[in-house]
Amino acid sequence: TQLLEQSPQFLSIQEGENLTVYCNSSSVFSSLQWYRQEPGEGPVLLVTVVTGGEVKKLKRLTFQFGDARKDSSLHITAAQPGDTGLYLCAGLSGSARQLTFGSGTQLTVLP
Amino acid sequence: GAVVSQHPSWVICKSGTSVKIECRSLDFQATTMFWYRQFPKQSLMLMATSNEGSKATYEQGVEKDKFLINHASLTLSTLTVTSAHPEDSSFYICSASTKTGLGYNEQFFGPGTRLTVL
Repeated sequence: TQLLEQSPQFLSIQEGENLTVYCNSSSVFSSLQWYRQEPGEGPVLLVTVVTGGEVKKLKRLTFQFGDARKDSSLHITAAQPGDTGLYLCAGLSGSARQLTFGSGTQLTVLP
Repeated sequence: GAVVSQHPSWVICKSGTSVKIECRSLDFQATTMFWYRQFPKQSLMLMATSNEGSKATYEQGVEKDKFLINHASLTLSTLTVTSAHPEDSSFYICSASTKTGLGYNEQFFGPGTRLTVL
C-alpha cells in the first residue's frame, strides 16, 4: 500500500504569516497533485507537478516536487483568511489511474 | 475546465432504506469514475473504481453488496447505498478521470453528497 504522509496535520496561523505543508512517501509517483477543499464541497485542484525538482508558482502558493518524485511541499506566503481549508496532496503512480491521497492538512488562517 | 456534478447534494433517509447518488461528467466522457468517502476533518478514502460497461473494482474492506455501483454510460456513474444505517452517514465524493493534453491522467471531482441516515 502506498502511503502519503502530510505534515502538519493541523495548522493555525495569523494572517500575513508564511507556512509550508509537506507531503512525503517512500514510493515514487509519476505525478503529484495538490487540492484544497472547503467544508461541504469537493476538492479543487490547485496544481499538478510531473517532473522531479519541478517548482510551480500560483500567486502566493509555491509547489515543489522532490528530485526523486517521492515528496512534495506547498509553501504559502503571507497567508490570508481565504486560504483556510483542507489541503490534500495526491499521487499518481505509473500507468495507474487511481490517486493515492495524503492524510490532509487542515489550515486555519486567523484575521 | 472539466465539470463533474453530483445529485443529490445532500440526503437524509431512515435506517434500512436505500439511497442512490448520481455522478455525471458534464462536458467530457469518462471511462473511469471513482467513488470516495470522507469523514469530518479527514482525507478522502477510495471506495471503488467504476469502469464504464464493466463491474466496479472495490477497495479492501468495502462491501460490494452494500455499495452498488453502476457505470451505465461514459458520463454517468451511480452509487447506491443499500439498507443504509447510521454508520453509513458520511460525505460521498465522486471523480471522473480523463487524460490531459500532456498525457497524464487527471481526476475532476464532484461537489460531494452529504448522506445522513437517521
